[in-house]
Amino acid sequence: KAGVTQTPRYLIKTRGQQVTLSCSPISGHRSVSWYQQTPGQGLQFLFEYFSETQRNKGNFPGRFSGRQFSNSRSEMNVSTLELGDSALYLCASSTRTGAGTEAFFGQGTRLTVV
Amino acid sequence: DAKTTQPTSMDCAEGRAANLPCNHSTISGNEYVYWYRQIHSQGPQYIIHGLKNNETNEMASLIITEDRKSSTLILPHATLRDTAVYYCIVRVVDSNYQLIWGAGTKLIIKP
Repeated sequence: KAGVTQTPRYLIKTRGQQVTLSCSPISGHRSVSWYQQTPGQGLQFLFEYFSETQRNKGNFPGRFSGRQFSNSRSEMNVSTLELGDSALYLCASSTRTGAGTEAFFGQGTRLTVV
Repeated sequence: DAKTTQPTSMDCAEGRAANLPCNHSTISGNEYVYWYRQIHSQGPQYIIHGLKNNETNEMASLIITEDRKSSTLILPHATLRDTAVYYCIVRVVDSNYQLIWGAGTKLIIKP
């Protein structure tokens, strides 16, 4: 069974630009969550999508957005990039059938903003 | 904020059992305890989870105290590849599927 796939693995962008990251969940998983990881703040929840609907959102500015497609693949977008957006962005998928369901993570996209 | 407290770092000799403690004194009755680990710059890897009974799988064992206020993750025969940051997480109530992460424990396995 293929794992969670995130593309691209590495990305360098300039301040003010926008970026789109992609996540393909494990087959059959309908929930996709996004996390940002930085050395200073650790792992922080961005948002979760289930059946193409955003179900939960973390405490991030509106520049961070996402969407989910009918095949459960998800994208997240960051507009007007700032230096502080440099981070490892992680995607996790799960079946979301109950509180006892584990989430499986991809390898992440390393975004560097210069 | 994270609902768990873990030691910042621990050492363990290769081949010995690694016991990683976690305090979650404010855990609610229907919240699960999850353990993940993250090897440098990789995505977190699921290890195990439990509600109130002890759990075991091919990677580790999870021991949860009877009052559920603390737990211990046991890696029975640690190898160098088990060097990682280990996160203990309590699943948020109200069907919110987000995971709230603390700083974790940096486990270093020494030869």
